[in-house]
Amino acid sequence: SAVISQKPSRDICQRGTSLTIQCQVDSQVTMMFWYRQQPGQSLTLIATANQGSEATYESGFVIDKFPISRPNLTFSTLTVSNMSPEDSSIYLCSVGGRQETQYFGPGTRLLVL
Amino acid sequence: EDQVTQSPEALRLQEGESSSLNCSYTVSGLRGLFWYRQDPGKGPEFLFTLYSAGEEKEKERLKATLTKKESFLHITAPKPEDSATYLCAVQAREKDSYGQNFVFGPGTRLSVLP
Repeated sequence: SAVISQKPSRDICQRGTSLTIQCQVDSQVTMMFWYRQQPGQSLTLIATANQGSEATYESGFVIDKFPISRPNLTFSTLTVSNMSPEDSSIYLCSVGGRQETQYFGPGTRLLVL
Repeated sequence: EDQVTQSPEALRLQEGESSSLNCSYTVSGLRGLFWYRQDPGKGPEFLFTLYSAGEEKEKERLKATLTKKESFLHITAPKPEDSATYLCAVQAREKDSYGQNFVFGPGTRLSVLP
């Protein structure tokens, strides 16, 4: 399985600011995914990030709020823009293919004041 | 619409007290069912993948089974370190969006008391 790291591991931010979360994988992968896990809730997919193409966003998530970059096959970033307290969540990146198990990073715990 | 439910929502066991967690699903064409363990504030850790009814997988004190409508995660003689949230997810036939392809359940919070 791939080894996935995320930075930062946690952060406390003021409303109206933006935070960029980095996800690094130790091997080249085609598909990377970004999830949100709100307190006490299960995982919700934000978007799929494929190298060399625009990210694909799920219903309820938009690029202006959650811009994603995927500059190469081992790295991706998710930005949470113009944050509000409702954005307080754990943000997780994962890797895998449609027919493959997904492996998750350790997550970024975000608290917005 | 594909759905995954898990029961119970929370379970408290004494050390050594065996039990089972349930994952029920409705999906239009199951490709795989996945079990994950998640510790507080951390990312889910992969445990098992099951692909067809009748399949079983084991790892230490855990055994996962699959039928056409549900999966069970059996925990034998649990220890306090087994305390975590256990998530179930199903992978459905390919649809337009990957989000519709991989659906997570709400999880079962397991506490094992010494």
